Amino acid sequence: QSVLTQPRSVSGSPGQSVTISCTGTNSDVGAYDYVSWYQHHPGKDPQLIIFDVRRRPSGVPDRFSGSKSGNTASLTISGLRSEDEADYHCSSYAGTYTWVFGGGTRLTLL
Amino acid sequence: QVQLVESGGGLVKPGGSLRLSCTASGFSFGDYYMNWIRQAPGKGLEWISYISRTDSNTKYADSVKGRFTISRDNANSEVSLQVTSLRVEDTAIYYCARVGRGAVSGTSLDLWGRGTLVTVSS
Repeated sequence: QSVLTQPRSVSGSPGQSVTISCTGTNSDVGAYDYVSWYQHHPGKDPQLIIFDVRRRPSGVPDRFSGSKSGNTASLTISGLRSEDEADYHCSSYAGTYTWVFGGGTRLTLL
Repeated sequence: QVQLVESGGGLVKPGGSLRLSCTASGFSFGDYYMNWIRQAPGKGLEWISYISRTDSNTKYADSVKGRFTISRDNANSEVSLQVTSLRVEDTAIYYCARVGRGAVSGTSLDLWGRGTLVTVSS
């Protein structure tokens, strides 16, 4: 059982937007503005796409955006493209160099 | 090329041991904190261990504490995970990951390897 709760799957059509939620507690997501999101194409290395709730590393398109309200963080992907089909994992820094993760969400393009 | 490459996984019987390694290249390895994260089949990611830049501070998830040991060799740009007393539920892909710094927050993991598979089965 993962610490953070994500939907198992979401889907969308090319060009549309999807939002993936990530629910934690007052000890992790709610306690820190340190939520990260990772894109993972199976068999490849996971890629950091959002850190500190809403910041994007250099090179990540602005189609990816993050937000947080209370104990729930969200990742929104707009203008869906075929290459966005992947697993998405949320994570929260939990203090003293420990991290917690969600169960992952499989994004399928219709 | 900036990358992390894991090795050392394999098939092992319950109670057995392995030494997983992660070799870094393309960046100043000694400047970064490092972690190991795993993903069991059909499950989400699970953080399991952290090590500071100088090996002086380590952390473990409760699920592996007392059985796994993280270490690093900055001269050879390598971080290792000695895994012992293995259980069936330790079956997973094991990833090493770098803690960000500079432009990327030190609370996120900004570089990952492709992982090494550990299968625990009799």
